[in-house]
Amino acid sequence: QFRLQESGPGLVKSSETLSLTCAVSGGSISNYYWGWVRQAPGKGLEWIGYISNSGSTNYNPSLKSRVTILRDTSKNQFSLTVSSVTAADTALYYCARVGVLKISNKWFDAWGQGTLVTVSS
Amino acid sequence: QSVLTQPPSVSAAAGQKVTISCAGSTSNIGDNSVSWYQQLPGTAPKLLMYDNFKRPSGIPDRFSGSKSGTSATLDITGLQTGDEADYYCGTWDSSLRGMLFGGGTKVTVL
Repeated sequence: QFRLQESGPGLVKSSETLSLTCAVSGGSISNYYWGWVRQAPGKGLEWIGYISNSGSTNYNPSLKSRVTILRDTSKNQFSLTVSSVTAADTALYYCARVGVLKISNKWFDAWGQGTLVTVSS
Repeated sequence: QSVLTQPPSVSAAAGQKVTISCAGSTSNIGDNSVSWYQQLPGTAPKLLMYDNFKRPSGIPDRFSGSKSGTSATLDITGLQTGDEADYYCGTWDSSLRGMLFGGGTKVTVL
């Protein structure tokens, strides 16, 4: 059973870059898709993006210009960076494993506990 | 405003049934499979349903999912106080080429 744990700064200054890491235990990340989802305070879920088992990525079009997801198979972890952050990026950030049947059939079947990132001015 | 529309809240007495709808369009629900998530207060979301109606191991059969046309439904029967949570639908959007979530539905047990 996979376990996911997010880590990173809880406070980021406006216009700077947010960087988070998701450490995965219980299995190798190499064979799966991995993604990020965020939730602004009191709001719903927003998909950020994912990285596939081959290393290709897919991002939410609304965030694409500012987001990068990478993986480090040697450390069994993957990461998220969001550049030029604003107050609108303040949210609880979750890393998750992506279940895949085909390109158009995906879901999130294991989640980290989430980490709160606050963007300050 | 979400592309996938869910009612903000539903409620029913303990032991009864609630139905949560998720309305989309041909580019998302109409063409792709739906997943459902339960988010208990203060916790991370949890997968309840995938591929429209399939339950992951450990999810009781009180939870059932279905899809018809451009809408999907999650039914919860034998409602329990522990079911009080926010529920989200999710799917792939072929036009956006990305994943979507509904706005969420809060379930209250009366």
